[in-house]
Amino acid sequence: DAGITQSPRHKVTETGTPVTLRCHQTENHRYMYWYRQDPGHGLRLIHYSYGVKDTDKGEVSDGYSVSRSKTEDFLLTLESATSSQTSVYFCAIRAGRILSGNTIYFGEGSWLTVV
Amino acid sequence: GENVEQHPSTLSVQEGDSAVIKCTYSDSASNYFPWYKQELGKRPQLIIDIRSNVGEKKDQRIAVTLNKTAKHFSLHITETQPEDSAVYFCAAPGKNAGGTSYGKLTFGQGTILTVHP
Repeated sequence: DAGITQSPRHKVTETGTPVTLRCHQTENHRYMYWYRQDPGHGLRLIHYSYGVKDTDKGEVSDGYSVSRSKTEDFLLTLESATSSQTSVYFCAIRAGRILSGNTIYFGEGSWLTVV
Repeated sequence: GENVEQHPSTLSVQEGDSAVIKCTYSDSASNYFPWYKQELGKRPQLIIDIRSNVGEKKDQRIAVTLNKTAKHFSLHITETQPEDSAVYFCAAPGKNAGGTSYGKLTFGQGTILTVHP
């Protein structure tokens, strides 16, 4: 499982409330990612990190922010949750040496429902 | 950025038949193409990958072929079994404006494979 833990695994929240999802890894990986998965859209990148305090936007970053204050934790925050953010959120890490390719491993997922 | 198109969206086969899923990509600089399998309620898991310096790679019943000229790659599953039923995703590296991928992957929309006993 590449040492990835996501929390919470399931959450129901109300529209307009802030939500933070946590991704914790134990193997000192430099690169971490947040994807969301929705039917018909596959997996879409929200934000990614290439080091402590180094983050950048993915293709669907509107309404989301991230922080990475230490190597092992990558936090995804929905500042004011909307129903369109109901989704399954996967954290991922890149493992292996540069020459081994961009092998990405996923966490178990966090199911978020915004009502 | 990279654009990945995957077809078909659903595929139904009889046990023992072969299944083929195809993906196209847009960025000719992409050099790594993984395939993931996702069972219901589970995380996507890597099943096979191929680098751009290789045209084909095989692992038991699954194989991946790559045509760099046409910018497409395919997953082949032979002698399908009911446990092959899942959603399959292809992916290719995505780059930011500076031309660096940072290991990001752009995924296809997924193919729901159903293998009937």
